[in-house]
Amino acid sequence: QVQLVQSGAEVKEPGASVKVSCKASGYIFTTYGINWVRQAPGQGLEWVGWISPYNGNTNYAQNLQDRVTMTTDSSTSTANMELRSLRSDDTAVYYCARGRNYDSFDYWGQGTLVTVSS
Amino acid sequence: SHELTQPPSVSVSPGQTASITCSGDKLGHQFSFWYQQKPGQSPVLVIYRDNRRPSGIPERFSGSSSGNTATLTISGTQAMDEADYYCQAWDSSTAVFGGGTKLTVL
Repeated sequence: QVQLVQSGAEVKEPGASVKVSCKASGYIFTTYGINWVRQAPGQGLEWVGWISPYNGNTNYAQNLQDRVTMTTDSSTSTANMELRSLRSDDTAVYYCARGRNYDSFDYWGQGTLVTVSS
Repeated sequence: SHELTQPPSVSVSPGQTASITCSGDKLGHQFSFWYQQKPGQSPVLVIYRDNRRPSGIPERFSGSSSGNTATLTISGTQAMDEADYYCQAWDSSTAVFGGGTKLTVL
């Protein structure tokens, strides 16, 4: 069965960087993209971006494109999201979700809480 | 930018039909998708491409789209359906979510 397993919770100071990983299993990794979606405490869902493990193509949300980088490692079926210059309003649960471009997010990881606090 | 507007809350009695709307200028040209999220859990896809139901999602969940409005309908609503529901669409390679609707079953 399809599974996306994310790395554990992180606590970072403002200005630092964080890297969240998402290990996929149960399907051929390069045949689906990986989206990243975040949810601030008590708030709705916000799309962060998408990466194709097949060719490395990326699309980032406009408000984050200067601070986010997404990568994949096909040898380990792992997707990574790095967010730099962290601010307090980056505090959120970050989810990875499988999906082809312009299509649904059909499987989701369990979420990774990133807390930005001094 | 593409915005999707949902009502903040919808209430329904058990066994009745709940309808949650999602409006956006470009919905008439793009597929809509719906996700259910229960407290402390990851979202779950319940409707894709306007009206298709993933395997494992109960038949009481259905979707439709007309003009600039997509609608999620839950027939015979059960207590277990109480959750937040989010619509989503694509606009110029960017995924957009609605603000979410809290469905209360009472």
